[in-house]
Amino acid sequence: GDSVTQMEGPVTLSEEAFLTINCTYTATGYPSLFWYVQYPGEGLQLLLKATKADDKGSNKGFEATYRKETTSFHLEKGSVQVSDSAVYFCALGSGNTGKLIFGQGTTLQVKP
Amino acid sequence: SQTIHQWPATLVQPVGSPLSLECTVEGTSNPNLYWYRQAAGRGLQLLFYSVGIGQISSEVPQNLSASRPQDRQFILSSKKLLLSDSGFYLCAWIDLFYGYTFGSGTRLTVV
Repeated sequence: GDSVTQMEGPVTLSEEAFLTINCTYTATGYPSLFWYVQYPGEGLQLLLKATKADDKGSNKGFEATYRKETTSFHLEKGSVQVSDSAVYFCALGSGNTGKLIFGQGTTLQVKP
Repeated sequence: SQTIHQWPATLVQPVGSPLSLECTVEGTSNPNLYWYRQAAGRGLQLLFYSVGIGQISSEVPQNLSASRPQDRQFILSSKKLLLSDSGFYLCAWIDLFYGYTFGSGTRLTVV
């Protein structure tokens, strides 16, 4: 079945460092891919998405490119801030019922 | 505008007690609705989804059940809670334009 694998955390960075969180997927067909963010004490929020191969999703300085050849959707940010500290989830849209398959989440901690 | 309400925000229940978590949406009709659970140190797992009133699909066998008595109401229940039911429960709905919208979640601790 469809699945998503994220790099294990926690990831600890200093402010202004470059961030990469790896995400790879296994799916039949051509799923949409998503990154969600969960700030402490809050629910999930959509960070960015891509619906087809080679699409680049971007938001708040974060980017991810849908790579069909490597089945990946890595999240990147050039300069992280303390306020980016959160848990990040990679997900794919499975089938036509709108189900999301989530990765296990990666905790990011940014230190000043 | 579309909104989703989920309550309570936190809940502490003894083992063997019943559970009822409610989720309602506003500003849309006939939404697909979902219950997810996030166990400690783990990712989100889809528990149930519903494409219409009275239509429930279960993704994993468990101690929980779901019901959809009205178009915009989705309820997660248990007759007898287990310790392993502890976790963070999220209700969500999907809109073709906006994508997924998640509720604020209920943190359930079974003691």
